Amino acid sequence: QVQLHESGPGLVKPSQTLSLTCTVSGDSISSGTHYWSWIRQPAGKGLEWIGRIYEGGSTNYNPSLMSRVTMSVDTSKNRFSLEVSSVTAADTALYYCARETMDIALVHYFEYWGQGILVTVSP
Amino acid sequence: SYELTQPPSVSVSPGQTARITCSADALAKQYAHWYQQKPGQAPVLVICKDSERPSGIPERFSGSSSGTIVTLTISGVQAEDEADYYCQSSDTSGHVFGGGTKLTVL
Repeated sequence: QVQLHESGPGLVKPSQTLSLTCTVSGDSISSGTHYWSWIRQPAGKGLEWIGRIYEGGSTNYNPSLMSRVTMSVDTSKNRFSLEVSSVTAADTALYYCARETMDIALVHYFEYWGQGILVTVSP
Repeated sequence: SYELTQPPSVSVSPGQTARITCSADALAKQYAHWYQQKPGQAPVLVICKDSERPSGIPERFSGSSSGTIVTLTISGVQAEDEADYYCQSSDTSGHVFGGGTKLTVL
C-alpha cells in the first residue's frame, strides 16, 4: 500500500522559508511512473495545488506561487521536498503531499495523499 | 489557468439523490475528478476521469459530463456521505481545484 508522510517544522516566522519533506513508502519515486505533488489548504478553505516534481527533477509550479516555490527530490531516500520562501500569514495552511497518477491517456489525478501537516506562519 | 465553479453547499435528506456540479469552459476538453474530504481527514478520490469509480468506492457514487459541466451524483445518500467535495482538472500548466461543496445530510 502506498503511503506518504509529511514532516517539517509546524511554525515558521514571517519572511522566512517554509521547508517540508514527504517520505514515500510502498512505491519508488525513481520508478518514474508518477508525479509527486504538494497541495495546501488554509483552515476552513479549499484546496490549492502548489506544484509537482518528477523523478528526474523536472517541476511544474502553480503560476500564483512560482516565484516563491522550489521543489526537489531525493530518490536515494525516496522522498521529495517543498520550500516556500518569504512566507506570510497567508501561507498558514495544512500542507499535503500526494502521488499523481498518470494513466495511459496522460490524465492526472491524485490517488494517494499524506495525512497533511499544519504549518503556521507567526512571529 | 482557469477556475472551476462549484456551488458552496448542497443539502439532501437521507436516501435521496445529491448532485454536485462543477463548471468551466475547459471541462469541454479536459477530464474532471472528484474528491471527498471529511473533517480532519485528507481528501479521497471518489471519481476520476469524469465517471470512473476507483476501487473501494461505493456504487452510489457516480459521475457524468455534459459540455462544460461535470456532475457528481450520490444516489441513496447516507449520513456518512456528509463531507466537502472538490472537483479537480488539469491543463498544460498544472492542476486546478474547485472551491468545494459542502454536502449536508439533513
